[in-house]
Amino acid sequence: GIQVEQSPPDLILQEGANSTLRCNFSDSVNNLQWFHQNPWGQLINLFYIPSGTKQNGRLSATTVATERYSLLYISSSQTTDSGVYFCAVTSGTYKYIFGTGTRLKVLA
Amino acid sequence: ETGVTQTPRHLVMGMTNKKSLKCEQHLGHNAMYWYKQSAKKPLELMFVYNFKEQTENNSVPSRFSPECPNSSHLFLHLHTLQPEDSALYLCASSQGGSGGAVDTQYFGPGTRLTVL
Repeated sequence: GIQVEQSPPDLILQEGANSTLRCNFSDSVNNLQWFHQNPWGQLINLFYIPSGTKQNGRLSATTVATERYSLLYISSSQTTDSGVYFCAVTSGTYKYIFGTGTRLKVLA
Repeated sequence: ETGVTQTPRHLVMGMTNKKSLKCEQHLGHNAMYWYKQSAKKPLELMFVYNFKEQTENNSVPSRFSPECPNSSHLFLHLHTLQPEDSALYLCASSQGGSGGAVDTQYFGPGTRLTVL
């Protein structure tokens, strides 16, 4: 099956800093999503991005499907950005595979 | 608020109990999912239903029994669980459809289960 790896596993930032999170996948995919899990466990959709670039406020994402990776950019980080960021992929079925996540802590 | 609700939010049960988790989606979606999230592990897909038909069973032990009476409701019936089944159980929904179309998933807040 598809393997999904995320890096870095942990990240500590000062408020206002920028960061880049990476998601590598081992095979072709036709769906890729980025999620943010808050400290209470709720997963929130950030992007549905099987290819290309999207932006939403301070967040943007780029997926290069031919090279099998996706990047999530967080600019001007805020304490509310803390939590775990997951990417999830699937290759044409409903069997989504989640990465191990990047745990982000933003300090005031 | 994602449009997906789960009850109860917290559940403590003994190994001999029988309990059920409930998920309801208000998004008009056709596909629903159960995931398990154990501490420090990635989310594991358990079951998928598309138009009330089960399309994925990810080798889940029979002590977990899903039920999907309609496209808006999904249950997970639990019996004779083990302490290692303690985890956050998450429900999700997506538009779904035929032909294996894949699309954006929306998650409920989860049920935090503790098995004593």
